[in-house]
Amino acid sequence: AQSVTQLDSQVPVFEEAPVELRCNYSSSVSVYLFWYVQYPNQGLQLLLKYLSGSTLVKSINGFEAEFNKSQTSFHLRKPSVHISDTAEYFCAVSEGFGNEKLTFGTGTRLTIIP
Amino acid sequence: NAGVTQTPKFRVLKTGQSMTLLCAQDMNHEYMYWYRQDPGMGLRLIHYSVGEGTTAKGEVPDGYNVSRLKKQNFLLGLESAAPSQTSVYFCASTQDRVAQPQHFGDGTRLSIL
Repeated sequence: AQSVTQLDSQVPVFEEAPVELRCNYSSSVSVYLFWYVQYPNQGLQLLLKYLSGSTLVKSINGFEAEFNKSQTSFHLRKPSVHISDTAEYFCAVSEGFGNEKLTFGTGTRLTIIP
Repeated sequence: NAGVTQTPKFRVLKTGQSMTLLCAQDMNHEYMYWYRQDPGMGLRLIHYSVGEGTTAKGEVPDGYNVSRLKKQNFLLGLESAAPSQTSVYFCASTQDRVAQPQHFGDGTRLSIL
């Protein structure tokens, strides 16, 4: 069965500093990987996804994540954060070959300090 | 284009009462999902549907029932509410069951007293 681990429940970062949110997964088959973002009192929105091909994927607002198969990781990074990045971030995995279900990590709350 | 709409946004129930949460999507998506979100536990799948007239159990189905009589609607029912069901409930939908992202509603905050 697939599972996702987000070790950091909270990450405080100063504005304009870099950040890395960690995500590790376990699965016995090939996977699709996602990062979702949740702003206060809202539902989740897709930030970026890895399906196949290039292991480095990027979002339109400066985030990027790299799929590392040997380390079973999909860490999220941003070189310079802004106040507007304050949110909760969820890593999710979906197994290939017809698995309809996403398995979510427990989330990382990113707080940007002015 | 509204996307995924959840009704109601807030509700307070007494233990033992019943209620139905409604999820409506206008994207003609085949797949729909109900999750609950609890602090420190992320999102857990309650039930899901792979098409009109179908439902299946997720990770935490006990105490909940669902129906998908119309493609655009997915209903979540609590027959006899319990305090352990206090949570934020999210509905999501997607067209492609694996590779495409799920589109989420804004959630229903449910408190059981």
